[in-house]
Amino acid sequence: QVQLQESGPGLVKPSQTLSLTCTVSGGSISSASYYCSWIRQPAGKGLEWIGRIYTSGSTDYNPSLKSRVTISLDTSKNQFSLKLSSVTAADTAVYYCARTQYGSGSYDYWGQGTLVTVSS
Amino acid sequence: DIQMTQSPSSLSASVGDRVTITCRASQIISNFLNWYQQKPGKAPKLLIYAVSSLQSGVPSRFTGSGSGTDFTLTISNLQPEDFATYYCQQSNRNPATFGQGTKVEIK
Repeated sequence: QVQLQESGPGLVKPSQTLSLTCTVSGGSISSASYYCSWIRQPAGKGLEWIGRIYTSGSTDYNPSLKSRVTISLDTSKNQFSLKLSSVTAADTAVYYCARTQYGSGSYDYWGQGTLVTVSS
Repeated sequence: DIQMTQSPSSLSASVGDRVTITCRASQIISNFLNWYQQKPGKAPKLLIYAVSSLQSGVPSRFTGSGSGTDFTLTISNLQPEDFATYYCQQSNRNPATFGQGTKVEIK
């Protein structure tokens, strides 16, 4: 059974960098059939795609966040990571990592989500 | 960005009812349309991918249909565990975008 688990600080100060890691178990993130994505959800609001990384290391980011986002992959640890720089209160949200199916682009396995609050 | 508009935003229904949620894309998205169910405090769960393919383990009372820009999620014989918020998502073009959600509540 594939499982994803986000980890990282739950509180980040304004202007600092948010850093999260997603650890995948029960399956390899090096599989050619999938890639890895980050999605976030502010409290009481909808879902926003942040970006994705392929097994090759190639990335795509949401243009609204592109200047501040970096997603990376560590296949030796079966992990992928998110960095979001220069955060503000508007970045406060539950952050999810998700496995993404090639072809359909659907998110078939999700982490439980981690709340990141931006506050001084 | 491709805008995804769901309707209604919320609905009230009873156990056993048939419920239909629609999702309209601002441009043609081929068959790159997926549906998710989210319960409070939980991650979304994939129900339907590629318009009408049922994700493994999802009950057959969930069906998806549509093409081009207009899509539908139908829940037949609504069960107590189906009361949740439902989202559509397009994966035809970056950035992937989601509908605003449809909350299905108990009447």
